[in-house]
Amino acid sequence: GENVEQHPSTLSVQEGDSAVIKCTYSDSASNYFPWYKQELGKRPQLIIDIRSNVGEKKDQRIAVTLNKTAKHFSLHITETQPEDSAVYFCAAMSDNFNKFYFGSGTKLNVKP
Amino acid sequence: ETGVTQSPTHLIKTRGQQVTLRCSSQSGHNTVSWYQQALGQGPQFIFQYYREEENGRGNFPPRFSGLQFPNYSSELNVNALELDDSALYLCASSLPGLRAETQYFGPGTRLLVL
Repeated sequence: GENVEQHPSTLSVQEGDSAVIKCTYSDSASNYFPWYKQELGKRPQLIIDIRSNVGEKKDQRIAVTLNKTAKHFSLHITETQPEDSAVYFCAAMSDNFNKFYFGSGTKLNVKP
Repeated sequence: ETGVTQSPTHLIKTRGQQVTLRCSSQSGHNTVSWYQQALGQGPQFIFQYYREEENGRGNFPPRFSGLQFPNYSSELNVNALELDDSALYLCASSLPGLRAETQYFGPGTRLLVL
């Protein structure tokens, strides 16, 4: 089955700096890669996603890149703000859309 | 906020007991997935239901079972509870069609097994 690894487990940045979170996956058949933000005590919220036929996607301060050959994808947050502080999870979905595999999470702390 | 709801919000059980958790999917969503999230970990995929049939399963033993009803709501049943079953249980529903992979999570049920 799929194995998703996520790094780093914790990340502390100064407000205004950029943050990068990286994930690798093992199953070359995986074709959909979402990123979720989970604030303390709340449900995961989808913040951005990318499909395997695209190498990069951007939405305002958030971008995701995908390297299918190397089987890794990354989340980039620019101009970080204190409200970006949360746990971020990457995930990979199997090609038949019926199994999801999450990374172990990255706790991002943005210091004002 | 999404329309996915779960009940109960919190639950305490003892080892060996059985538990049923419930999920109401967002209107029009015919696919429901269940996840177990241990403290400090990412969600672990349990299984997915599509049109009342199990459509995919993660690495969980058979004592984790589920149902989906004609209105697409769903139940997660866990028999013979173990201490390690203590976790946040999340359900997520998704739309049919081109965006079928986009999942909308419910608030979760926090289960404590003593």
